[in-house]
Amino acid sequence: AQRVTQPEKLLSVFKGAPVELKCNYSYSGSPELFWYVQYSRQRLQLLLRHISRESIKGFTADLNKGETSFHLKKPFAQEEDSAMYYCALDSGGYNKLIFGAGTRLAVHP
Amino acid sequence: GAVVSQHPSWVICKSGTSVKIECRSLDFQATTMFWYRQFPKQSLMLMATSNEGSKATYEQGVEKDKFLINHASLTLSTLTVTSAHPEDSSFYICSASGGISTDTQYFGPGTRLTVL
Repeated sequence: AQRVTQPEKLLSVFKGAPVELKCNYSYSGSPELFWYVQYSRQRLQLLLRHISRESIKGFTADLNKGETSFHLKKPFAQEEDSAMYYCALDSGGYNKLIFGAGTRLAVHP
Repeated sequence: GAVVSQHPSWVICKSGTSVKIECRSLDFQATTMFWYRQFPKQSLMLMATSNEGSKATYEQGVEKDKFLINHASLTLSTLTVTSAHPEDSSFYICSASGGISTDTQYFGPGTRLTVL
């Protein structure tokens, strides 16, 4: 079954600390994975996708097919990074997204 | 660019009534629109996918007669919750894809439905 797992509901760090938000997926085909972010009182927006291999706001994510993971990382967290982060899988390439449960990142001063 | 709006942002209705939620793409033509449902402290669950001018494709377990979706134009899709009951109370979110980046979904702000 296709599934996205984000094991941590809450990740709390201090400003300047490294951040890693975990995401594991279950998918038999070639996955297309995304990270979406939702800041307080704002709508969900795309942060990055694995096929772009880009860094957005200092965040990167590498697809590891062996471990079926797509963890989101940032070397130095900022207070403005505090938000809800969702990992999502495009199942079948039809732009149908399966979302993980989300991880709330809280960055403290 | 790529802004999606929803109306209303929140609605309270009595059990048994029907509620219509609109989703509009303001500055691009949305060939595909998606409707999600989000329960408190849970993730988004895809309800249905609609392409302009054709019938919506519903996910398993979603009642098509309960949640009527219309995508009559490239900028508007509507979700009608028919004969709403308290268990239909939820946060409904739409997204749209199209324009230059067809594989990116742009999300609306969501509509909170409370059925009394």
